[in-house]
Amino acid sequence: EAQVTQNPRYLITVTGKKLTVTCSQNMNHEYMSWYRQDPGLGLRQIYYSMNVEVTDKGDVPEGYKVSRKEKRNFPLILESPSPNQTSLYFCASSFFGTSTDTQYFGPGTRLTVL
Amino acid sequence: KNEVEQSPQNLTAQEGEFITINCSYSVGISALHWLQQHPGGGIVSLFMLSSGKKKHGRLIATINIQEKHSSLHITASHPRDSAVYICAAPRDSNYQLIWGAGTKLIIKP
Repeated sequence: EAQVTQNPRYLITVTGKKLTVTCSQNMNHEYMSWYRQDPGLGLRQIYYSMNVEVTDKGDVPEGYKVSRKEKRNFPLILESPSPNQTSLYFCASSFFGTSTDTQYFGPGTRLTVL
Repeated sequence: KNEVEQSPQNLTAQEGEFITINCSYSVGISALHWLQQHPGGGIVSLFMLSSGKKKHGRLIATINIQEKHSSLHITASHPRDSAVYICAAPRDSNYQLIWGAGTKLIIKP
């Protein structure tokens, strides 16, 4: 089954404790992206990747890191989480980008930073 | 003014009603996305269209590129259609989307 998976689905952590949210897709997509969703603010892009070893900042990259060592995986790293990073996070992928490709979303990761 | 605007923000209707959600954009685009976010949070792509009309089951999406306007219609609405519907337009770069704020739809039985 074609899908985007994220882990964990729910995470409660404390300020400053490094964490990684994994994202994996099995559709051989070149493009992957991370979003955060906050009430009243809609979806905001954190980082995206056009292919292996090619990443770029989205609209809200501060406090986040990403890597794309393999085509299927695009982990989101929070080196020192803070309470303002409490949010619902989505990973998405598509074949080449956003202009003409259907976007496939993971199920979301609900992160709480205390 | 947001580059992608949706209306209405909230919509409550009775089961069976014909639903229309509108999306207007101020940027030049190659295609427009319509997505659905379920009450549980999951996001599903419904349509991507660059011209004319697309239909999938009871859902119909139309776009008028010249007027920079798109509509999502739901025929014979059902409570399971209750969700947030979001339109999004690609930015020039092909790697980012400009997101509408979403329309929260509630269909009452």
